[in-house]
Amino acid sequence: NAGVMQNPRHLVRRRGQEARLRCSPMKGHSHVYWYRQLPEEGLKFMVYLQKENIIDESGMPKERFSAEFPKEGPSILRIQQVVRGDSAAYFCASSPPTGVETQYFGPGTRLLVL
Amino acid sequence: TQLLEQSPQFLSIQEGENLTVYCNSSSVFSSLQWYRQEPGEGPVLLVTVVTGGEVKKLKRLTFQFGDARKDSSLHITAAQPGDTGLYLCAGVYNTDKLIFGTGTRLQVFP
Repeated sequence: NAGVMQNPRHLVRRRGQEARLRCSPMKGHSHVYWYRQLPEEGLKFMVYLQKENIIDESGMPKERFSAEFPKEGPSILRIQQVVRGDSAAYFCASSPPTGVETQYFGPGTRLLVL
Repeated sequence: TQLLEQSPQFLSIQEGENLTVYCNSSSVFSSLQWYRQEPGEGPVLLVTVVTGGEVKKLKRLTFQFGDARKDSSLHITAAQPGDTGLYLCAGVYNTDKLIFGTGTRLQVFP
């Protein structure tokens, strides 16, 4: 039973480019969450999605960031026109429909903006 | 903004020592989780506590949820180098997201 998968594990972008981070939830999980972690800090909630729906995006920056979880395929976190401050580890978690407290995390994507 | 403060922020101890990590908030949480994160990996869930005053044990780790469900502690007995990592508490807020604590980085030396 595969866990949460994220790719790429490492991503290097130059300022102004786009970054696309992918997350495949655990089998049977229909809820996906994205978090951002800066060095030596805890995780900060960004967005909560169910299939084809954004449930809570209160942690998403107002500009340049978007997320989707289509009916088929992985969830995508998209960052347009990246800036150096976007450099961080981005984690995806998934949970079954039974509850947000049972979240399983992927290994993360480490984004470095040059 | 809900905030979970963890203390201490950093902890370096010798193998065999005991330690306690604290997670405090001014807000009430319906449940609280503890995670451990190793370098280059995602957090791994250790335990979920739900009831005020609840105590859960996981081998040498003891987790307690405060009576008022605003705070929690993690006690490790006879720490081992394998316990090294970043320990994170997280509370369920507004039924749809986890709010993470500031983290405690533990280093256990052999």
